[in-house]
Amino acid sequence: QKEVEQDPGPLSVPEGAIVSLNCTYSNSAFQYFMWYRQYSRKGPELLMYTYSSGNKEDGRFTAQVDKSSKYISLFIRDSQPSDSATYLCAMSSTDSWGKLQFGAGTQVVVTP
Amino acid sequence: DAGVTQSPTHLIKTRGQQVTLRCSPKSGHDTVSWYQQALGQGPQFIFQYYEEEERQRGNFPDRFSGHQFPNYSSELNVNALLLGDSALYLCASSSSNEQFFGPGTRLTVL
Repeated sequence: QKEVEQDPGPLSVPEGAIVSLNCTYSNSAFQYFMWYRQYSRKGPELLMYTYSSGNKEDGRFTAQVDKSSKYISLFIRDSQPSDSATYLCAMSSTDSWGKLQFGAGTQVVVTP
Repeated sequence: DAGVTQSPTHLIKTRGQQVTLRCSPKSGHDTVSWYQQALGQGPQFIFQYYEEEERQRGNFPDRFSGHQFPNYSSELNVNALLLGDSALYLCASSSSNEQFFGPGTRLTVL
């Protein structure tokens, strides 16, 4: 079993809809949680960074962390065709904080 | 302010050859990490450099080695290339736990 599980999709939504993405993990030592967006053949772009449990909002993006359930989520409001990309969750622990463990990524397609 | 830069963009090698990839971190960042991303997969951690020392290493063989220079730039070296080494190699720089990635070097091994 992988340490970080993420549904590969593709997830197809109409423009303007809310995109809901999630990851589950097995390592209870993970404390730092990140979401990256990756366009085809490009490097990942950091979208959201959270520490421990709770919610964080930045513009159209909301990240949630539920450590008791080992479950993290990313919501994208008012989705646009330019949001079409692969979204990667990543996490690390305090004793290995520089070593990011990634999910496989979820491909999102926002249709006009 | 330039972000993380990597060179070359693309590279084609044959089995058994050796390759060197290069990375320049964002201004103000002193830590460089390297990741391998196979097609359709998430990036896999190779190793991390800080103060010119390898600080952490992932589950990669000794064929993968690296170096960090006094100006914080870094190199990834892969010896005795295998077909399975074909991937996108990503460099990330950081000064805290937030890592910022470069565009990657796409390595094809024939």
